[in-house]
Amino acid sequence: DADVTQTPRNRITKTGKRIMLECSQTKGHDRMYWYRQDPGLGLQLIYYSFDVKDINKGEISDGYSVSRQAQAKFSLSLESAIPNQTALYFCATGASGGSTPNEQFFGPGTRLTVL
Amino acid sequence: AQSVTQLGSHVSVSEGALVLLRCNYSSSVPPYLFWYVQYPNQGLQLLLKYTTGATLVKGINGFEAEFKKSETSFHLTKPSAHMSDAAEYFCAVSPYSASKIIFGSGTRLSIRP
Repeated sequence: DADVTQTPRNRITKTGKRIMLECSQTKGHDRMYWYRQDPGLGLQLIYYSFDVKDINKGEISDGYSVSRQAQAKFSLSLESAIPNQTALYFCATGASGGSTPNEQFFGPGTRLTVL
Repeated sequence: AQSVTQLGSHVSVSEGALVLLRCNYSSSVPPYLFWYVQYPNQGLQLLLKYTTGATLVKGINGFEAEFKKSETSFHLTKPSAHMSDAAEYFCAVSPYSASKIIFGSGTRLSIRP
C-alpha cells in the first residue's frame, strides 16, 4: 500500500470551477507539503504545514488554499480554477525528527487540466 | 537565499556509458542535499542524500554523488547507464535550519540503445 496517496489522479475541469485535491498519508509524519510541477520549472511550493494548527504559504500560493483536516490529511483547493493552473500537483510529507532530516516523501501526483 | 542550478535540461547517453548530471547550489548555511528521480507518470523518489559525514554518497540503482563544498556542487554519476535509468532527475537543497526543499528545474536523462 502506498504511504502517500492523492485523489483524484487525473481531473479535467472548466474555468471558474472549484476544485479540491486530497492527500492522505500513513507515514505518521507531521509535515505535509503541496507542490506544482510545470515542464522546465521543477517543483514550486504552494503551501506547507508543520502540524494541524500550522499553515504556511509557499512561493506560489495565490489562487490556492489548503486545509489540514488531521495530521494525516492535507487538501488543496482551487477556489476558481483558471487555465494557467493546469499542471501536475504533488503532495509530500516529512518528519520533524528522526534519521531523515528534511527529506520529503512524495505522492504519485494529480494531473489537473483546466479548460 | 538558497538556489539550485542543474546544468542541462536534457542529457542523452548511450547504454553502458557514464552518466553525469550536474548540480550546483547556493546556500548561506550548510545544506542537506538530495537527488530525486521521477519516472514517467510517477511521483518523485529519493535516489540519495547528503546530510553530514562522508562526502561521497551512494544511492539506489548504482547512482552516487559527491558533495564538494569548495565548488558548491553535488553532481550525480553512474558508471554504466541502463535503459531503465531513463527518467527526470531533480537536485534539491535544504538548509539545516529550514524544513523546506528548493528544487532545481530538472534534467531529463535519455538512454540510447
